[in-house]
Amino acid sequence: GAVVSQHPSWVICKSGTSVKIECRSLDFQATTMFWYRQFPKQSLMLMATSNEGSKATYEQGVEKDKFLINHASLTLSTLTVTSAHPEDSSFYICSASDTSGGFTDTQYFGPGTRLTVL
Amino acid sequence: AQRVTQPEKLLSVFKGAPVELKCNYSYSGSPELFWYVQYSRQRLQLLLRHISRESIKGFTADLNKGETSFHLKKPFAQEEDSAMYYCALSRYGGATNKLIFGTGTLLAVQP
Repeated sequence: GAVVSQHPSWVICKSGTSVKIECRSLDFQATTMFWYRQFPKQSLMLMATSNEGSKATYEQGVEKDKFLINHASLTLSTLTVTSAHPEDSSFYICSASDTSGGFTDTQYFGPGTRLTVL
Repeated sequence: AQRVTQPEKLLSVFKGAPVELKCNYSYSGSPELFWYVQYSRQRLQLLLRHISRESIKGFTADLNKGETSFHLKKPFAQEEDSAMYYCALSRYGGATNKLIFGTGTLLAVQP
């Protein structure tokens, strides 16, 4: 149980275009999903916290107009990188909290999405 | 400031040797700490959390508030333990607990 999927697993796009990444909790409901960014050989940096039905909360230094997050249902959150530039190239990882019981703050991670902007 | 420090980027040991992956934290409140593991080509997954005080795959970790540490230990390393290990701190961010990750330690267990 507690599986999180991401789509696509990798994407290459041209500079200036927008890219949408989906994060789904497959077998549980997640009122909260998190989006992280990971640079090569570095740790995960939290970008934003996404709560179902409300606006996302962004970490300091993360441009909310650049990284649009939508959490429309209890099983789906999307991250849209708008007007992507080469410096946005990174590994984006989502996680979801299982709120059905037990430790409500246990996060289950998706496999990540590799974004390359040319 | 809230911070998690893992001083070793790489730890290489021989099979059967003891392992200790170091983690120190800085947090003003009452911390909740985790160890996550990422095996090659797999996603990040929870290994253990200090609040449950359990042993997973032979690994244990004890929270030492005096030394602000949460080191991960295993008495006899196995080759399948080779992976990237991240220490993480949970901080309360409104209605949600958020994780702060350390930079990770790559454990390489040699045969």
